[in-house]
Amino acid sequence: GAVVSQHPSRVICKSGTSVKIECRSLDFQATTMFWYRQFPKKSLMLMATSNEGSKATYEQGVEKDKFLINHASLTLSTLTVTSAHPEDSSFYICSARRRPGTEAFFGQGTRLTVV
Amino acid sequence: AQKITQTQPGMFVQEKEAVTLDCTYDTSDQSYGLFWYKQPSSGEMIFLIYQGSYDEQNATEGRYSLNFQKARKSANLVISASQLGDSAMYFCAMRVAGANNLFFGTGTRLTVIP
Repeated sequence: GAVVSQHPSRVICKSGTSVKIECRSLDFQATTMFWYRQFPKKSLMLMATSNEGSKATYEQGVEKDKFLINHASLTLSTLTVTSAHPEDSSFYICSARRRPGTEAFFGQGTRLTVV
Repeated sequence: AQKITQTQPGMFVQEKEAVTLDCTYDTSDQSYGLFWYKQPSSGEMIFLIYQGSYDEQNATEGRYSLNFQKARKSANLVISASQLGDSAMYFCAMRVAGANNLFFGTGTRLTVIP
């Protein structure tokens, strides 16, 4: 299977600061990347879909100004949590796929803790 | 709207025994795919098995098999000969044709007992 690398795996940041999470497709070009957030005891919730070279599409209820998503190349998408607050603490996971209709592969996830 | 339901928050199984994790889904689309993922404590999502809505045979991948009952809208995961390393969260997910994302259930935590 294809490899998707997510970095960092864990990050602790102070309230009010911003943190960037990277999602890279290591051995394939990903036209689309997805960002999910996992709440405790809940399923993964899609936050946004990013297509290379265009603006991300955010799901209802997700603040686009708070969760900045950039998909500047076919192998890299970033999620920046701006002005982080403790309630943003969560597990964030990305997935990437080559093209529509193909399987999406997940990164290892990032545990964000805002203190 | 699509919905995935996993009614078992936790399951226990004896090592070497088989276990069935339940998943029911709801969609009005005729073309869709059903997935099972394993999430160990490290957090990564590991793809296990896929079943297409038009597949006539139940999917199998090694010790994993999917008991697909289309009329009942269920897609249960069967793990045979459980191993200690199977202890993890298991998520059922669905994607309808033409859609981008996966809809996930709330997961089942499986614990394999030695």
